This record gives sequence, C-alpha cells and structure tokens, in this order.
Amino acid sequence: DAGVTQSPTHLIKTRGQHVTLRCSPISGHKSVSWYQQVLGQGPQFIFQYYEKEERGRGNFPDRFSARQFPNYSSELNVNALLLGDSALYLCASSPHEDRPEQYFGPGTRLTVT
Amino acid sequence: GIQVEQSPPDLILQEGANSTLRCNFSDSVNNLQWFHQNPWGQLINLFYIPSGTKQNGRLSATTVATERYSLLYISSSQTTDSGVYFCAVAKGGNKLVFGAGTILRVKS
Repeated sequence: DAGVTQSPTHLIKTRGQHVTLRCSPISGHKSVSWYQQVLGQGPQFIFQYYEKEERGRGNFPDRFSARQFPNYSSELNVNALLLGDSALYLCASSPHEDRPEQYFGPGTRLTVT
Repeated sequence: GIQVEQSPPDLILQEGANSTLRCNFSDSVNNLQWFHQNPWGQLINLFYIPSGTKQNGRLSATTVATERYSLLYISSSQTTDSGVYFCAVAKGGNKLVFGAGTILRVKS
C-alpha cells in the first residue's frame, strides 16, 4: 500500500508570494495533520483535519490555512510568505481520531528568498 | 501545553555499541511515538507505545506512563542507525508535541 504522499518535494518562493502544498493520506485514513519543521528543531503542529472539519490548530498566524477534500486529501496554503516560513512541511495521516498513531509523508521543503 | 524533553541531545557511538535514549513528558498522554528522521527528512515510525514495552529487531522501547517517561533502546548499532530520533506525545486528538530530538552518529 502507498504511504502518505506530498507534492511538490521542493519549492522556492519569493517573500510576499503565496504557496499551496498538497498531501494524500494513506488509503482508508480519514485524519490529516500538518506540521512545520524548521532546521534543527522538532516538527510543530499546524492543523488537523478529520472528515473535512478542522479539529485542531497550532500557534500559527492566519496566513496559514488548510482544507480537506471529500477524498481525504488536503492542502496547506500559506499567504504573504516570510523568510521565516522556510521549513520542511510534513503531512501525517491516521485512520481515525480514536486511533491516534500517525504516519508521515516525505515532506515538502519550502525555501523563501 | 505538554513539554517533552529528550536526552541526550547528541550521541556518538562505535558500530556495535548499545544505547538508550530517554523521553520525559510533563502530562498524561494517550499517544507516544518514536520516530527516526533520515537525512532526507522522512520521519520513519519506530514505535507507537503510550504504555508498556515493545521490541522490533534490534530496537525496543518502554514507556512508564505513571512516571511520564519513555526509553528507546538500540542494540548492536549500525551506521544506518545514524540520524535524529524524535519522541512525540499527544494528550487527546492528533496534535503531536515533539521533543527536540537526539542526534545519533554511529561510526564504523
């Protein structure tokens, strides 16, 4: 079975631009979460979606938004990019809210210049 | 929120040596996972272990939930074990809180 997939793998953007990152969960998984990992740190929680509803939000500005589609795939959008948004963005899926074990995708490495 | 502390921050081993990584957390949790992050950034699931003991080959883990710590044991280390090991916990829901990680270097 395919694992969590993310696209693109790498992305270079300029300050002020907008970016959309995509994630497809493991087949049968209904929950998707997004994390940001800056160099040298552990991942930080951004959002969780379950059955297309937002179930949790981390301490990130409103420039960050996300949504989940009927097929359970998800998009993370970041507006008005800042240099500090440069990071590895990780998507994780889990089968159900009551089965919290999460499986991570390979990530999208975003560089903002 | 929950605090997660990992120790040691860095560890250098000779191939074949054993090691123990520790994870302390500040509150009761319903999810605890250990991950290995490879040089390309992929987080590889090692254990889902909110309590008890599990073993998988040369790796094993123990979580003592009542005392709020978890241990990851690596035996007979290999160079391919090098990388960053993360402990992550959650208290309800899927919001994982990660520790700062342990950087492991295994020398041949």
